[in-house]
Amino acid sequence: DAGVIQSPRHEVTEMGQEVTLRCKPISGHNSLFWYRQTMMRGLELLIYFNNNVPIDDSGMPEDRFSAKMPNASFSTLKIQPSEPRDSAVYFCASRGGMRQETQYFGPGTRLLVL
Amino acid sequence: SQKIEQNSEALNIQEGKTATLTCNYTNYSPAYLQWYRQDPGRGPVFLLLIRENEKEKRKERLKVTFDTTLKQSLFHITASQPADSATYLCALDIEGGKLIFGQGTELSVKP
Repeated sequence: DAGVIQSPRHEVTEMGQEVTLRCKPISGHNSLFWYRQTMMRGLELLIYFNNNVPIDDSGMPEDRFSAKMPNASFSTLKIQPSEPRDSAVYFCASRGGMRQETQYFGPGTRLLVL
Repeated sequence: SQKIEQNSEALNIQEGKTATLTCNYTNYSPAYLQWYRQDPGRGPVFLLLIRENEKEKRKERLKVTFDTTLKQSLFHITASQPADSATYLCALDIEGGKLIFGQGTELSVKP
């Protein structure tokens, strides 16, 4: 298995631009998580899905952030408009199911907003 | 307020020694706790899970303890090697598989 796949791996954009991060979970996994990691705040959960349905988005910082999971093999995290304080590493993780506790992380997308 | 704390300072030890990392938490009652390893530029990788009714768990050179009274987990690496150098994160299950992570402890093992 290829593991969790994220794209792009690096993104540099200017303030105000739209940014879309993509994630392909491990095949057969039915839970997907989006995290953000910064030096100041560590690894924070933004939103998670079970069976493509958003369950908890309480970690989404504000309306500029949105996430979708149109099918079991694809999810996006969109920031519009982006701001310099959104600069961070964004991780996607997947899990085999509610009774499977281990999360498998992707390599992350390093986002820099200028 | 709810809080998770790991060793705030980086941990430097000599090869062959035992590394002990601490994870303390307040105001949670997790069903289980996990430890992950993170190398620079990579995503966290799962190492061990320990449940609330377990006191200790082992896997090769790794050992985790979980004291729900003290609200503390200890993570030990015995016979440490330079390849063990990484950041180690503890994570608590707070509801239905939702994890909250500590800030991590950076471990450096010198040859």
